[in-house]
Amino acid sequence: SQQGEEDPQALSIQEGENATMNCSYKTSINNLQWYRQNSGRGLVHLILIRSNEREKHSGRLRVTLDTSKKSSSLLITASRAADTASYFCATATNTGNQFYFGTGTSLTVIP
Amino acid sequence: GAVVSQHPSRVICKSGTSVKIECRSLDFQATTMFWYRQFPKQSLMLMATSNEGSKATYEQGVEKDKFLINHASLTLSTLTVTSAHPEDSSFYICSAGDRGLRGYTFGSGTRLTVV
Repeated sequence: SQQGEEDPQALSIQEGENATMNCSYKTSINNLQWYRQNSGRGLVHLILIRSNEREKHSGRLRVTLDTSKKSSSLLITASRAADTASYFCATATNTGNQFYFGTGTSLTVIP
Repeated sequence: GAVVSQHPSRVICKSGTSVKIECRSLDFQATTMFWYRQFPKQSLMLMATSNEGSKATYEQGVEKDKFLINHASLTLSTLTVTSAHPEDSSFYICSAGDRGLRGYTFGSGTRLTVV
C-alpha cells in the first residue's frame, strides 16, 4: 500500500526539548503533509511540502523531505505541553485527489 | 468494520443552488464527525466538527450559514452548501469516529463542481 508510516509510534519528552518524528512512504508523491490531531478532535493541517522542496519552516515546525529515500521528518522545537497530540503524515499522489495517511506518532510533552 | 459511506461522490450544480452531502457510518455509531475540504493538490482543511445532537463547531473562517451541518443521528451527518458559488467547487470529505474506536474513518469524498 502507499500508506505512510510514522516513526516512532509514541514519543515522550520534557517541555523545552525538541521532538522529531519521521514518516516513510512507498510511491511517488506530489506533496506530503503533516497533520496534528488532539484527542477527540479532527485533523488540523500543519504544513505541506511539495515534492520539489527539501525543507520548509513554519514557526517552531521544521519539515524535511527526501524523495530519494521516500521519507520526511517533522521537527518541533522548544516543545510545549500544548504540543501533546498525535501527528500524522499524509501523502498526495500526482493527481492530487487522493491522499494516504500514516498511522501516526503520539507525542506527549511533559510539563 | 468502521465503514463510512459518503454520498454523492460527484455533484455538479448551478450557481445559487444548494447541495447536500451525506456522511453515514455503516457499522458503528459515530458520536463525532468531521468535515474537511480539499482544493486540488492541497491539504485537507478542517471545516467543522459535529457531535450528535448538538451544534457543530466551525473552524475560523468557515461560514456557518453557508455550510450547514446537521448531525441528527449517531449514523448520519449532512453538510449542505447553500447558495453555492463556483469558488465553493472543491473536494469535501467527512470522517467519523466513536469514543470506543482508536481512530477515525474517512468517507470516500464528494467532488463538488459549481457552474
